[in-house]
Amino acid sequence: NAGVTQTPKFQVLKTGQSMTLQCAQDMNHNSMYWYRQDPGMGLRLIYYSASEGTTDKGEVPNGYNVSRLNKREFSLRLESAAPSQTSVYFCASSQDRSPSNQPQHFGDGTRLSIL
Amino acid sequence: GENVEQHPSTLSVQEGDSAVIKCTYSDSASNYFPWYKQELGKGPQLIIDIRSNVGEKKDQRIAVTLNKTAKHFSLHITETQPEDSAVYFCAASKGYGNKLVFGAGTILRVKS
Repeated sequence: NAGVTQTPKFQVLKTGQSMTLQCAQDMNHNSMYWYRQDPGMGLRLIYYSASEGTTDKGEVPNGYNVSRLNKREFSLRLESAAPSQTSVYFCASSQDRSPSNQPQHFGDGTRLSIL
Repeated sequence: GENVEQHPSTLSVQEGDSAVIKCTYSDSASNYFPWYKQELGKGPQLIIDIRSNVGEKKDQRIAVTLNKTAKHFSLHITETQPEDSAVYFCAASKGYGNKLVFGAGTILRVKS
């Protein structure tokens, strides 16, 4: 019962360093998402992938890139980390059946600090 | 775009009492309203959801109500227990693509 697995769980970077956050799901879901969670602001969508081979910007995409490597994996890359990107990052997946929305399943997050 | 407001930001109740968390949304086209519970150090977990063709849904001690006219929906937890202590998020979504817009969250503390 792995569900959505995120690696690493914790990371500290220096300003300007790059990093890739990994996410994998074993539920055969079509759609995958990256969110960031900051105190008092709920979860904000960074990027999402409605299906393998497609990606789209969410609410806060600046400073990030994503890759939908295959149906299982969706990675988030910070090319030049900035202190404003200190946050907790969550990956999620869902089995969309248009036009209905389906529940999203979340991983346990990556806690990223940028000094 | 859609905006979801959630109140209160913190809520303390005695064990056994009921807790109510309210959310309002701005886009009348939204048709899916999930609630998530987030425990410390964990990701959000879906606890209940409701669609726009239903006014109320219950699952044991948890219920959600939806008022489409007023554009608000609420989470009701009865007979609260210490393990209900967590952060609760509401969200709203419309159409294919399943983009959820989240409220800012409510910290629920159940005192025993």
